[in-house]
Amino acid sequence: DMQMTQSPSSLSASVGDRVTITCRASVNINSCLNWYQQKPGKAPKLLIYAASRLQSGVPSRFSASGSGTDFTLTITSLQPEDFATYYCQQSCGRPRPFGQGTKVEIK
Amino acid sequence: QVQLVQSGAEVKKPGASVKVSCRASGNAFINYYVTWVRQAPGQGLEWMGWISANTGDTSYAQKLQGRLTMTTDTSTNTAYMELRSLRSDDTAVYYCARASSLTGDLDYWGQGTLVTVSS
Repeated sequence: DMQMTQSPSSLSASVGDRVTITCRASVNINSCLNWYQQKPGKAPKLLIYAASRLQSGVPSRFSASGSGTDFTLTITSLQPEDFATYYCQQSCGRPRPFGQGTKVEIK
Repeated sequence: QVQLVQSGAEVKKPGASVKVSCRASGNAFINYYVTWVRQAPGQGLEWMGWISANTGDTSYAQKLQGRLTMTTDTSTNTAYMELRSLRSDDTAVYYCARASSLTGDLDYWGQGTLVTVSS
């Protein structure tokens, strides 16, 4: 079964920091990769689709890149509202698993 | 504005079944897939499967095959997820979400439904 592996599983950062999260697929998924942000008690929110396309309304400090098996999500200047858990997800074919999540905490 | 509204919390005994509904505003499901995702307490997101609102085609996570059924009612713009033979590890918040048929992104989500399985 295909798997998505994120790293790190958690990180501590300060407001203004640059943060990078990686996601690795167990097979080649081309650009079939989405990123979501989830805050406690809330449904996830779509940030990035098709590996690098910013969802409408999402701040430009979020960016992403990658294709094939290796992907990254970058937050260029972390803001207080960005402290949350981030998930990648394979978005084509069957199945469409999520990564295990990366929790971004305040240092 | 697309809205997905899910049914309320459920408490079930082991071995029972649960059916969660997800009602969309307008024709929000036309030409989209409805995906179901669950999240056990303190855990990550688990993809359960999807159903095409147009064709009824489904794809389920292998671990849930045989216990899971997804359906849609296009006349009421409502999707349903039924899980049978419930176990304690099925306790989770269950989300429905709309998935683009082109890019698979989940752009709109329901508010979540807590299903508790306990004797």
